[in-house]
Amino acid sequence: DQQVKQNSPSLSVQEGRISILNCDYTNSMFDYFLWYKKYPAEGPTFLISISSIKDKNEDGRFTVFLNKSAKHLSLHIVPSQPGDSAVYFCAARGVGGSQGNLIFGKGTKLSVKP
Amino acid sequence: EAEVAQSPRYKITEKSQAVAFWCDPISGHATLYWYRQILGQGPELLVQFQDESVVDDSQLPKDRFSAERLKGVDSTLKIQPAELGDSAMYLCASSLMSGALEQYFGPGTRLTVT
Repeated sequence: DQQVKQNSPSLSVQEGRISILNCDYTNSMFDYFLWYKKYPAEGPTFLISISSIKDKNEDGRFTVFLNKSAKHLSLHIVPSQPGDSAVYFCAARGVGGSQGNLIFGKGTKLSVKP
Repeated sequence: EAEVAQSPRYKITEKSQAVAFWCDPISGHATLYWYRQILGQGPELLVQFQDESVVDDSQLPKDRFSAERLKGVDSTLKIQPAELGDSAMYLCASSLMSGALEQYFGPGTRLTVT
């Protein structure tokens, strides 16, 4: 049973427009949610995180929104650039016995067209 | 910039053979993770080390997989015997301490079992 779900395998956006990547989770026992970015032939790299007690975190062009009642988070990229084209993984950090363990979604491939 | 090193980058092996992967984390990182990423899926944690000790290996198929980090620095993941279903990307990551939000990933080893 997937605890972190990314239901859109791909997304295509025009350069300069907003990219919105979505993620849903089923378990409330997460204390942080994270987004990782992965280019081909490279490992994932950390992008941005949000605490479960916050509803928004912003870092430059990247903003993550958390809706706890809906168990939903989203990553907004504004404005989108061709270099943002990558696979984006949503991840959640467990608490308790699995402290520090990350559970990843399947990823969404973002293509930003010039 | 310090990086996580992994070798080999690619490995092709026949089923029932033994295969081993090596990982050298960022210097000073106490926590090391091995993940498996099947095509089209997100990374899944196999084993987590804190220094030389295993913290979590609940998802490691122990009948065929083994992992060690003898001196608390580099680590080896072994599969014996390999099965067709083991074909995947094997990612190593490290972090300063257990529970750190940011994990630094290596480029991975792409395993193909024929």
